[in-house]
Amino acid sequence: ELKVEQNPLFLSMQEGKNYTIYCNYSTTSDRLYWYRQDPGKSLESLFVLLSNGAVKQEGRLMASLDTKARLSTLHITAAVHDLSATYFCAAHNNNDMRFGAGTRLTVKP
Amino acid sequence: NAGVTQTPKFQVLKTGQSMTLQCAQDMNHEYMSWYRQDPGMGLRLIHYSVGAGITDQGEVPNGYNVSRSTTEDFPLRLLSAAPSQTSVYFCASSRLGRTEDGYTFGSGTRLTVV
Repeated sequence: ELKVEQNPLFLSMQEGKNYTIYCNYSTTSDRLYWYRQDPGKSLESLFVLLSNGAVKQEGRLMASLDTKARLSTLHITAAVHDLSATYFCAAHNNNDMRFGAGTRLTVKP
Repeated sequence: NAGVTQTPKFQVLKTGQSMTLQCAQDMNHEYMSWYRQDPGMGLRLIHYSVGAGITDQGEVPNGYNVSRSTTEDFPLRLLSAAPSQTSVYFCASSRLGRTEDGYTFGSGTRLTVV
């Protein structure tokens, strides 16, 4: 059964600092997603990673995938308050997408 | 282009009542799915469909039924609501295959069962 673990679950950062969110999954996955959710809102797709070594960047966020280690990371560079949200990773296999519990990120001035 | 539309946005049910959560998409996506989101547990897949007339169970299907008579619509039915079904429900759609498109989520339905 495909299981996904994210850590940390809570992250409080200072503006301008860097940090990484980790996402481990238990079995073969054919793609890895990162989503953002603001309080009371729906999920917004950030990145889709399809192959080993894939790296994608958008603004201050960069996601990578290591399929051999079954690990994806979401790196935050020089955090700003607007990045405060909950971030989910999700591993996909055979029409089944399993989510991690989410990382609640708070960026403080 | 409306994307994924869910109705209603909020609903309160009494234990034992039945209801249908509606989901419609206008992107001609083959794949549609229902998730529930509970605090601290991320999203869990209830049911999914890869096309009209085809449905399958996800991680937590008990207490829920689905059907897919058209490409656009994928309703979720609660047959006899229980307090354990209090949650936020999201419908999502996507193209099939290893696409770089992420899933498109609806705005959610917040359901309370009393």
